[in-house]
Amino acid sequence: GAVVSQHPSRVICKSGTSVKIECRSLDFQATTMFWYRQFPKQSLMLMATSNEGSKATYEQGVEKDKFLINHASLTLSTLTVTSAHPEDSSFYICSASLVQGAGSDTQYFGPGTRLTVL
Amino acid sequence: AQSVTQLGSHVSVSEGALVLLRCNYSSSVPPYLFWYVQYPNQGLQLLLKYTTGATLVKGINGFEAEFKKSETSFHLTKPSAHMSDAAEYFCAVSETGGFKTIFGAGTRLFVKA
Repeated sequence: GAVVSQHPSRVICKSGTSVKIECRSLDFQATTMFWYRQFPKQSLMLMATSNEGSKATYEQGVEKDKFLINHASLTLSTLTVTSAHPEDSSFYICSASLVQGAGSDTQYFGPGTRLTVL
Repeated sequence: AQSVTQLGSHVSVSEGALVLLRCNYSSSVPPYLFWYVQYPNQGLQLLLKYTTGATLVKGINGFEAEFKKSETSFHLTKPSAHMSDAAEYFCAVSETGGFKTIFGAGTRLFVKA
């Protein structure tokens, strides 16, 4: 089956620093990748949708200058949390789908990245 | 606008008992419906999905769900619970032809020995 990896799995950083999280589709080309945020014991909140080679589409309320998303290739998307603060601490999950724009396409999820900002 | 409601944030069953996790959705167009499972500190794994056709969908690990348009429901069932089924389960909906998938709040399943 399709595998999506995330790196790092866990990161601790100081307030004010930037953190980059990578999401890779290992055995397929992902035209669309999604970034989610999950608070403890809560559901996934979609942050943004990115398509290879174009700007990400951010959900309402998500600061695009704070959460920089780059989808430079069909197998890699990165999320950079800039000037991180403790309230940015969360579990970040990416997913990838094979075909652009079709709601029925299965999303393949990465294992998640636990970010802790001190 | 789409939405998903999962009834019951926690469900507890005995090993070998029926598992029933409830999900109701709201969608202005024919929906695509999904059930995902999440184990602690992991991403989500697809259990099953409904797009079109047969309304009873069978998934992995013995789970199945039935799409009932008249009730706007997509409940997840499994005849006999295993200890390994203990996890968080998410129901999700997306519009036909659309990008966005909306997730329910999740239901944590506990399985007692």
